[in-house]
Amino acid sequence: NAGVMQNPRHLVRRRGQEARLRCSPMKGHSHVYWYRQLPEEGLKFMVYLQKENIIDESGMPKERFSAEFPKEGPSILRIQQVVRGDSAAYFCASSPGHLEKLFFGSGTQLSVL
Amino acid sequence: GENVEQHPSTLSVQEGDSAVIKCTYSDSASNYFPWYKQELGKGPQLIIDIRSNVGEKKDQRIAVTLNKTAKHFSLHITETQPEDSAVYFCAASINTGTASKLTFGTGTRLQVTL
Repeated sequence: NAGVMQNPRHLVRRRGQEARLRCSPMKGHSHVYWYRQLPEEGLKFMVYLQKENIIDESGMPKERFSAEFPKEGPSILRIQQVVRGDSAAYFCASSPGHLEKLFFGSGTQLSVL
Repeated sequence: GENVEQHPSTLSVQEGDSAVIKCTYSDSASNYFPWYKQELGKGPQLIIDIRSNVGEKKDQRIAVTLNKTAKHFSLHITETQPEDSAVYFCAASINTGTASKLTFGTGTRLQVTL
């Protein structure tokens, strides 16, 4: 059973471009969480999704950031018009239910030039 | 919202010694407390967790204790080995009937020296 798969591992964008980060949860998991990690800091919650629904997006900036988890395919975290401050490691986690343990992927390191 | 504080930020121990990392949380409604280990270039890996209905849990060399009254919990690693070197994160969450999310501490960089 493959773990949580994130791609790409590294993503370089210039200011003003769009970044798309993908996350395939573990098989059988229908709950997906996105977290952001800055160097030497802990993980900050961004958004929690179930299939086709956003459950909690309280940690996600209101502008430029969006997330989806369609019925088919991976969850996508989209950042429009990236700025240097968006540079960070973005981690996805999945769980089989909202009361269950979270399993994290290896992350996507976003660098904005 | 929930706030989790973690100490120390760095910890160096000799191989074979014990390591203790402490966390405090602010929301008394929190009821789930996992610990994650993150190695360089990798995602956090769950190593042990505890729910609020127990005070202590042990898994081989790793143990976690929880004091609900004081709102703090601790990770204990005994007989440390070089492969225990990593960044450790505590977290707390309020698991309700509809949703839950983890709030993480800022991490402890553990270095086990020979």
